[in-house]
Amino acid sequence: NAGVTQTPKFRVLKTGQSMTLLCAQDMNHEYMYWYRQDPGMGLRLIHYSVGEGTTAKGEVPDGYNVSRLKKQNFLLGLESAAPSQTSVYFCASTPATSPIEQFFGPGTRLTVL
Amino acid sequence: LAKTTQPISMDSYEGQEVNITCSHNNIATNDYITWYQQFPSQGPRFIIQGYKTKVTNEVASLFIPADRKSSTLSLPRVSLSDTAVYYCLVGDMFSGGYNKLIFGAGTRLAVHP
Repeated sequence: NAGVTQTPKFRVLKTGQSMTLLCAQDMNHEYMYWYRQDPGMGLRLIHYSVGEGTTAKGEVPDGYNVSRLKKQNFLLGLESAAPSQTSVYFCASTPATSPIEQFFGPGTRLTVL
Repeated sequence: LAKTTQPISMDSYEGQEVNITCSHNNIATNDYITWYQQFPSQGPRFIIQGYKTKVTNEVASLFIPADRKSSTLSLPRVSLSDTAVYYCLVGDMFSGGYNKLIFGAGTRLAVHP
């Protein structure tokens, strides 16, 4: 099992550009999450999904959109990147039967110039 | 949501036992206590979870007093590889609280030779 994988690992954008981060999990988990982590800080929840076709806002959703068209994939989109979105992005998944134990991906380091 | 307070940093030496205490004064009846570990450039990893009294697994022990207003993560005989950030989280497993889990700044543990 690969667990939770994230694509790409690194990316540099210019202000105003758009991009999509892909998260994939092969554990058949129902719930998936996107977090951001700024230097020296904890993780903040951006959006989450409790099942295919459903998404919900987390703590810091502004400037991001998400889609969960397939159970194993959770996409995070930035329509018009801003320097304030420079961060490390982590995806996580968890089974519905034990939602408090989250399995995290390796992260995507995004820099917006 | 129960807010947690934990020390910003701790130092220890190889072979010592490390205890990290987390305060969560307004913990609710349905809340569980969870600890995660994060190494540099990696996503957090679940360590242990508990509701009350003591929980032990192959990695750590979690001590929770009767009033549940605090908890202590105990790492026996730490090694250099235990150097990481440790997060204490409190959340309700049964009514969606897991989607609002808050990762604070955590405790940076440095283990020295």
